[in-house]
Amino acid sequence: KAGVTQTPRYLIKTRGQQVTLSCSPISGHRSVSWYQQTPGQGLQFLFEYFSETQRNKGNFPGRFSGRQFSNSRSEMNVSTLELGDSALYLCASTPMAWVWNEQFFGPGTRLTVL
Amino acid sequence: AQTVTQSQPEMSVQEAETVTLSCTYDTSESDYYLFWYKQPPSRQMILVIRQEAYKQQNATENRFSVNFQKAAKSFSLKISDSQLGDAAMYFCAYGVSSGSARQLTFGSGTQLTVLP
Repeated sequence: KAGVTQTPRYLIKTRGQQVTLSCSPISGHRSVSWYQQTPGQGLQFLFEYFSETQRNKGNFPGRFSGRQFSNSRSEMNVSTLELGDSALYLCASTPMAWVWNEQFFGPGTRLTVL
Repeated sequence: AQTVTQSQPEMSVQEAETVTLSCTYDTSESDYYLFWYKQPPSRQMILVIRQEAYKQQNATENRFSVNFQKAAKSFSLKISDSQLGDAAMYFCAYGVSSGSARQLTFGSGTQLTVLP
């Protein structure tokens, strides 16, 4: 099986712009979670989607949003980018959303905001 | 709120030796999962080992084992016969298993260096 894929792998944006990141889970996995990783704050949970519904959201401003499609692929969007949004964004998939199976992580998207 | 603490920002070990990475957590839940993830320079997060809180037996995966002390809320990772490929950032993570609050809470990480 192919692993979790994330596109693009690298992205450079300027302040005030918006960005959309994409995550394709492992085939058959229906739950997708997003995490932000920065040197200062470490790994922080953004949100989780299951069956096209957001099940949980971390403590991030409304500029951060996401969605999940019927094929389980997920996108996250950040509007009005700030310098502090520069981070590695990781997505992870699991088969189901209520059992703690292993979360398989993608390689991440490195976002740089100038 | 759940918190995960890794008090060792950096550790080093000689190749073929054993090293233990520490992790403590705070929770009021009785049913949860604990994980150790490895993040090499490629930044790809890889699951090393998983422990269910309701299981008293410590999890083991080849050279990796944990010492799970539920009452003390401690979850350490032991790496035996360390190899150069074990060099990475190691994250301890906590996952609550009930209700809608389903997310992983990560510690700050321990950077492990393996010396030849």
